[in-house]
Amino acid sequence: DAKTTQPNSMESNEEEPVHLPCNHSTISGTDYIHWYRQLPSQGPEYVIHGLTSNVNNRMASLAIAEDRKSSTLILHRATLRDAAVYYCILRRYGGSQGNLIFGKGTKLSVKP
Amino acid sequence: NAGVTQTPKFQVLKTGQSMTLQCAQDMNHEYMSWYRQDPGMGLRLIHYSVGAGITDQGEVPNGYNVSRSTTEDFPLRLLSAAPSQTSVYFCASSYSAARTGETQYFGPGTRLLVL
Repeated sequence: DAKTTQPNSMESNEEEPVHLPCNHSTISGTDYIHWYRQLPSQGPEYVIHGLTSNVNNRMASLAIAEDRKSSTLILHRATLRDAAVYYCILRRYGGSQGNLIFGKGTKLSVKP
Repeated sequence: NAGVTQTPKFQVLKTGQSMTLQCAQDMNHEYMSWYRQDPGMGLRLIHYSVGAGITDQGEVPNGYNVSRSTTEDFPLRLLSAAPSQTSVYFCASSYSAARTGETQYFGPGTRLLVL
């Protein structure tokens, strides 16, 4: 599986936008970009995923660079509840396995 | 739906004891998996199953056994617990293993302490 690189930690103020970067310079054409987050003392939860185009859902937006070597998860208005570890994960299209390969992620702190 | 459930929530074992961590899902998902998470680390895959009767090893399978006799259940067995198995264990499921857009649903975790 292709590797992703994320900052260890980031800080944000409540109600401000947050941009969480992810580098994946070895991404292949069939790799989907997935984001999960893990709130304290909970299991991970799905946030968003995309292949080439930018994606929006009720939780966040995903901006994917034109060359797909990087992406950014955007939380439009951070809340205290968004404090979590955010994982950027690549999943290969057509694979027979649904395995998610987790890195260490980015720990997001949100200040009131 | 209850989603993915795990029992127990917390367990203390002595070295050499055996136990089974239970995982169940009521979403008729084909794919189920077990991860462990050590402090400050991401999750590492232990074993996974793409359907009843089919299991395979993940990144860190040593010391753990699994079986999948039904679609709903995917228990994880520790045959002889070791302190190195102290960790938080998460079970996950998704409808299909083959579709990369599938969302995986995670259980709340089992915190295991081996003395």
